[in-house]
Amino acid sequence: QSALTQPASVSGSPGQSITISCTGTSSDVGSYNLVSWYQQHPGKAPKLMIYEGTKRPSGVSNRFSGSKSGNTASLTISGLQAEDEADYYCCSYAGSGTYVFGTGTKVTVL
Amino acid sequence: VQLVESGGGVVQPGRSLRLSCAASTFTFGRYPMHWVRQAPGKGLEWVANINQGGTETYYVDSMKGRFTISRDNSKNTLYLQMNSLRAEDTAVYYCARELSLLPAGSLDVWGQGTTVTVSS
Repeated sequence: QSALTQPASVSGSPGQSITISCTGTSSDVGSYNLVSWYQQHPGKAPKLMIYEGTKRPSGVSNRFSGSKSGNTASLTISGLQAEDEADYYCCSYAGSGTYVFGTGTKVTVL
Repeated sequence: VQLVESGGGVVQPGRSLRLSCAASTFTFGRYPMHWVRQAPGKGLEWVANINQGGTETYYVDSMKGRFTISRDNSKNTLYLQMNSLRAEDTAVYYCARELSLLPAGSLDVWGQGTTVTVSS
């Protein structure tokens, strides 16, 4: 149950698109379409942004999208806005009823 | 839709603590539930989950045998019993609800978190 690997930081200018990767193994990300993504602002609880790899919960901007290729899932934020500056975490089902989060990525809007 | 955790505090190493998570304005018993923790300045760590009836529970390996997740659907409350606490268990503990009726790690409702500090 090792944490999924994410880049420590990603930055972009307002209006740009950025992509955050989440690399796991064939035992977690690669085996299931059960990757979720969370946004967390400092001192706040996480917020679900993407679930089951590509689905957006009601109320989440369509600027956020998810995808997966092999053992790597990705979150893309298009039209980057100042309010998108936060920490982002991926999470995957890891089999046998368990889940594993990613190491987290700090997104900075320049 | 709201989740409110309680029960955190300062506890000595080796002691026990029970966290509670009170749910309101949704049918608590219909949803799988999870505990997730976050150590100071660190990332999120999945702790455990439980199915709707409380008959199936799963844990991260490092907490198996020390932590127990349970629920009382008549009280709309989720619990986490933590025994033999260690300094490395110091964290904010969140309870969270599954978005759907099937467990998928899609946690759409989170509590505000309760802080546990393990220190002598």
